[in-house]
Amino acid sequence: DVVLTQTPPTLSATIGQSVSISCRSSQSLLDSDGDTYLNWLLQRPGQSPQLLIYSVSNLESGVPNRFSGSGSETDFTLKISGVEAEDLGVYYCMQATHAPYTFGAGTKLELK
Amino acid sequence: EVQLVESGGGLVKPGSSLKLSCVASGFTFSSYGMHWIRQAPKKGLEWIALIYYDSSNKYYADSVKGRFTISRDNSKNTLYLEMNSLRSEDTAMYYCAKGGDVDYWGQGVMVTVSS
Repeated sequence: DVVLTQTPPTLSATIGQSVSISCRSSQSLLDSDGDTYLNWLLQRPGQSPQLLIYSVSNLESGVPNRFSGSGSETDFTLKISGVEAEDLGVYYCMQATHAPYTFGAGTKLELK
Repeated sequence: EVQLVESGGGLVKPGSSLKLSCVASGFTFSSYGMHWIRQAPKKGLEWIALIYYDSSNKYYADSVKGRFTISRDNSKNTLYLEMNSLRSEDTAMYYCAKGGDVDYWGQGVMVTVSS
């Protein structure tokens, strides 16, 4: 199974600060169809997860453009350009290239 | 508006069975693959099963393979998860999620396995 390693496990930020989260895969997530199925999700406290980014860098509808995703093959990054209070919660990467699909362990973003 | 509403959870004893349902609305259910994903208390997300839009393919996590069965009834816009031989480690919030991108999630249903 594909193992996704997220770093850091926790992230302390001030409002307005830019932060990045890394997600490294144990194998390439480039699919035979040419797409790379790496998504980023946010789970706010007490809520269901919500999709932020799909296929590495595509912003889900309604998600603020301070969120961006990049990367390829095995190394991926989620960047938040100017953290806002509503961004606090746990961020997960998820791969949907290889079944069984898998999640990273999560990165908790908290206020410094 | 897309809605996914799970039901069927509860408190059960180890070794017993339970069947979860997820009723979908606001989109063409029969056109999308669907997932079950769970989250143990204070833990991260664990993907557990996927079913294609036409039920032609099903995939499972190793942790539930042979014990859980995912199915769907496109005429009822409903996704199911049949869970057998439940263990204490199956205690979790169970979510259904839409599509390959998991772009919509239900509110979740709690399953507690305890004697």
